[in-house]
Amino acid sequence: QKEVEQNSGPLSVPEGAIASLNCTYSDRGSQSFFWYRQYSGKSPELIMFIYSNGDKEDGRFTAQLNKASQYVSLLIRDSQPSDSATYLCAVGSDQAGTALIFGKGTTLSVSS
Amino acid sequence: DVKVTQSSRYLVKRTGEKVFLECVQDMDHENMFWYRQDPGLGLRLIYFSYDVKMKEKGDIPEGYSVSREKKERFSLILESASTNQTSMYLCASSLMRTSFQYFGPGTRLTVT
Repeated sequence: QKEVEQNSGPLSVPEGAIASLNCTYSDRGSQSFFWYRQYSGKSPELIMFIYSNGDKEDGRFTAQLNKASQYVSLLIRDSQPSDSATYLCAVGSDQAGTALIFGKGTTLSVSS
Repeated sequence: DVKVTQSSRYLVKRTGEKVFLECVQDMDHENMFWYRQDPGLGLRLIYFSYDVKMKEKGDIPEGYSVSREKKERFSLILESASTNQTSMYLCASSLMRTSFQYFGPGTRLTVT
């Protein structure tokens, strides 16, 4: 059974701080990694994707991938109250018959 | 801009009714997915389709069926709705099976 694990949180950070969200996955064959943000009552929206080991930066967001350790993380710099949401990690493998595997999400709360 | 639309945002049905949830995407995506999302349980895959008239069971297909007669449309059918099918239903589409998925706005279904 392929699994994607995330701490459910809530992760609480003050405004302006760095929020660090982590995700581990069980399938060593995984090749694509995604972070979605989901506001309460809304559907998930893609914010980052990463395919190669290392860091990928987009504005205040940085995704980090370590395939050897099987984890992927999302850093949010200068956190804002509007970043308060649930963040879902999703992992894809090219193995036939599979779709993305989603974690249950980490709830982030940014206080002003 | 990819757009995934769902037929209803809110739906209230009675136990035993047959329920149709419709999803349409406008980006010629091969793959379409149906999930349900419940507090504490995360996103759970019900069915997905990688081509017209093709379907594959996800993690929780019991009590559901699907139809994909045209590439852009993927329907979820609850043959006889039950109260335990009260949930948020999310449709998604993607170009490839393990590429990022675009989500529709969701349908909050209540079965009474």
